[in-house]
Amino acid sequence: SVLTQPPSVSAAPGQKVTISCSGSSSNIGNNYVSWYQHLPGTAPKLLIYDNNKRPSGIPDRFSGSKSGTSATLGITGLQTGDEAVYYCATKDSSLTGGVFGGGTKLTVL
Amino acid sequence: QGHLVESGGGLVKPGGSLRLSCAASGFTLRGNYMSWIRQAPGKGLEFILYISNSGETIYYADSVKGRFTSSRDTASNSLYLQLNSLSPDDTSVYYCARDFNNLGLDLWGQGTLVTVSS
Repeated sequence: SVLTQPPSVSAAPGQKVTISCSGSSSNIGNNYVSWYQHLPGTAPKLLIYDNNKRPSGIPDRFSGSKSGTSATLGITGLQTGDEAVYYCATKDSSLTGGVFGGGTKLTVL
Repeated sequence: QGHLVESGGGLVKPGGSLRLSCAASGFTLRGNYMSWIRQAPGKGLEFILYISNSGETIYYADSVKGRFTSSRDTASNSLYLQLNSLSPDDTSVYYCARDFNNLGLDLWGQGTLVTVSS
């Protein structure tokens, strides 16, 4: 993928974790970033849009930020129910379409 | 809020075709950008088509260009994905999703599985 995410991250319940998403000027650098949580057998769920906004119903334990050509998802107060694969996404000017990161599997130890 | 329901998946032989449907309720497709996304077994999410609020397909992933097309029926408020010249690499769960804002996909269907195998 043109967006690079770490394959996996882990942390203990109650702790905080961050997931990075690295791109370029043709995607993250000049477009908004969204983040998704994907649990097996379910549809992906929008957590963050427009870099740092949360849809209604998403707890403030989830946060997003963007700086230059990178974006970060933060999750505080980790719960076992947060175990999932997390994807970043944005538009890519060179493709005139959207791109997803490769996904990061979060394990809550 | 809205609801999306995909259907039409199944088992198809290599070289075959399939038509997927995405029925929308609670909102009109006419006012929204929509995306088709797929996930192959053990792989990540892949954008394959992006459809404007006028129904025009404005993006095709290279992996499906020339083989997949999308259409829309405003009367039934449904989106369709025509899959042609299928190969085993197209085996995936296919999702339709609504673009709420700048590729913030706030509404997803449950997905429909397409398996391409002889």
